[in-house]
Amino acid sequence: AQRVTQPEKLLSVFKGAPVELKCNYSYSGSPELFWYVQYSRQRLQLLLRHISRESIKGFTADLNKGETSFHLKKPFAQEEDSAMYYCALTGRGSARQLTFGSGTQLTVLP
Amino acid sequence: GAVVSQHPSWVICKSGTSVKIECRSLDFQATTMFWYRQFPKQSLMLMATSNEGSKATYEQGVEKDKFLINHASLTLSTLTVTSAHPEDSSFYICSARDRRQGSSPLHFGNGTRLTVT
Repeated sequence: AQRVTQPEKLLSVFKGAPVELKCNYSYSGSPELFWYVQYSRQRLQLLLRHISRESIKGFTADLNKGETSFHLKKPFAQEEDSAMYYCALTGRGSARQLTFGSGTQLTVLP
Repeated sequence: GAVVSQHPSWVICKSGTSVKIECRSLDFQATTMFWYRQFPKQSLMLMATSNEGSKATYEQGVEKDKFLINHASLTLSTLTVTSAHPEDSSFYICSARDRRQGSSPLHFGNGTRLTVT
């Protein structure tokens, strides 16, 4: 079974401060990990995926297989980063459906 | 970019009636679409995987006779909530993957807020 855990439902940081959204997963094989973001009144959209190893909007996430984690980080948070963030995992099966974490609501304070 | 259109955005229906929700991929074809349900302040839960031209695959605990899924074409999947009850009130979201890009991420619709009175 695959599972994604986001331990923090709410996270508040001040503008300019570093932010880290935690994500841990459980999967027996080699998963593919994603971070999705949902801004207020907008649809869910992909933020980044671990296989791309890229930085989007200043966010990065490194897959740590030893710790089964995929934490999302940004060195200097901006107010426009306030949103709901979902960590998600997909296996290698033919359907490749996503399993989502419970989400973390990030609020960046001025 | 790839767009998934979901309709309606919200619907209110009476208990016992059926409601159909459409999910369309506007500029790409999708052999597989996914239907999720989200309760307030909870995560998205996968309900079923919709496969074009074949039966949907339902997750454990999801009643296939209650949540009818039809994926008649490469750009359209529908979810029909039959004989809706207040406990079916929820936020339903569909997603789709471009068939040309096997490893591409999913594109999501805006969701449908269903309220059953």
